[in-house]
Amino acid sequence: TQLLEQSPQFLSIQEGENLTVYCNSSSVFSSLQWYRQEPGEGPVLLVTVVTGGEVKKLKRLTFQFGDARKDSSLHITAAQPGDTGLYLCAGSGNTPLVFGKGTRLSVIA
Amino acid sequence: ETGVTQSPTHLIKTRGQQVTLRCSSQSGHNTVSWYQQALGQGPQFIFQYYREEENGRGNFPPRFSGLQFPNYSSELNVNALELDDSALYLCASSLSPGFSYEQYFGPGTRLTVT
Repeated sequence: TQLLEQSPQFLSIQEGENLTVYCNSSSVFSSLQWYRQEPGEGPVLLVTVVTGGEVKKLKRLTFQFGDARKDSSLHITAAQPGDTGLYLCAGSGNTPLVFGKGTRLSVIA
Repeated sequence: ETGVTQSPTHLIKTRGQQVTLRCSSQSGHNTVSWYQQALGQGPQFIFQYYREEENGRGNFPPRFSGLQFPNYSSELNVNALELDDSALYLCASSLSPGFSYEQYFGPGTRLTVT
């Protein structure tokens, strides 16, 4: 069974701080997706990374896929209250998406 | 362009009852996947429907069943409800079957089983 471990589980920071959350697995994935989910809503796709070592940037968010395609990280620069939410990583390939439990981020103004 | 919609928003049922949840896919999408998200967990894949046929199933018992209609909308049926079935049920639609295409999630149906 493929599992994705996300850390930390909870994170509470002040506006303007930087943070990194991690997504790790013992399995290799063809690609890895990051989602953000807000209360009462479904997950919204932020990015898909497919190549080992790939780095993608989305404004203040930087996503990296590990060289071995087993792990990924999400770095947020100068966090804002609007970044608050549940960040989920999900591994995919030809098999159904496997989601981690998520990191719940709270950015305090 | 209309996004994925789900109904109802919230539902309370009693153990042993049956429930039907509904999903309308995004315009142009022919594939629908269903997920269960228990409290504090990530979504877990239940099954996917394409061309009105089940196209892959996760580790869920047969009392979880589904349908897809010619207009690509879908239903999730759960029989003999158990307390552990309490969760947020998410529907996601995509342009094609499989999991290589981006999936667009609906807001979910919050099911509480008492």
